Amino acid sequence: QKEVEQDPGPLSVPEGAIVSLNCTYSNSAFQYFMWYRQYSRKGPELLMYTYSSGNKEDGRFTAQVDKSSKYISLFIRDSQPSDSATYLCAMILFSNDYKLSFGAGTTVTVRA
Amino acid sequence: NAGVTQTPKFRVLKTGQSMTLLCAQDMNHEYMYWYRQDPGMGLRLIHYSVGEGTTAKGEVPDGYNVSRLKKQNFLLGLESAAPSQTSVYFCASSKFTLAGGLWEQFFGPGTRLTVL
Repeated sequence: QKEVEQDPGPLSVPEGAIVSLNCTYSNSAFQYFMWYRQYSRKGPELLMYTYSSGNKEDGRFTAQVDKSSKYISLFIRDSQPSDSATYLCAMILFSNDYKLSFGAGTTVTVRA
Repeated sequence: NAGVTQTPKFRVLKTGQSMTLLCAQDMNHEYMYWYRQDPGMGLRLIHYSVGEGTTAKGEVPDGYNVSRLKKQNFLLGLESAAPSQTSVYFCASSKFTLAGGLWEQFFGPGTRLTVL
């Protein structure tokens, strides 16, 4: 079983819809949670990050973390065709070592 | 600033050939990483470096070697390429700060490698 599970999709929604993405993880030691966006044939870029349970908003994007359920989500409101990309969740733990694990990524297409 | 750059962008190798991928960053970051990205597998860490002259193994290090002779450069070598190493390779860098900025990694544009 992978340490971070993410449904690869693909997900296709009409413009203006809410996009809901999520990841589950098995290692309760993960401390930081991130979402990266990757456009086709480009490198990933950091979209949002958080380190505590709860919600964090940034414009049309909301990141949600539920550490008790080991579940994180990303919501995109009023989705636009420019949001069409692959979204990867990622999480870090710092202990005696540094460990960063990525989900497989979910490909999203927003139809105009 | 160019950020993170990778050379080459594309490469086709025959089984058994060797090659080196070059990553360069101009952000004065301490940490650098090499990942491979395969369909359905996400990004998997090959090797990383926490500073000039130091390297460490990641999740999938077999078949690869790395060197960090200069702070701004991180090289990934394939000594004897195999078809299983066909992938897209990404380099990334990050800055260590006590404020926790370590978690933001800046990625290069990737190198598409095909091993026949």
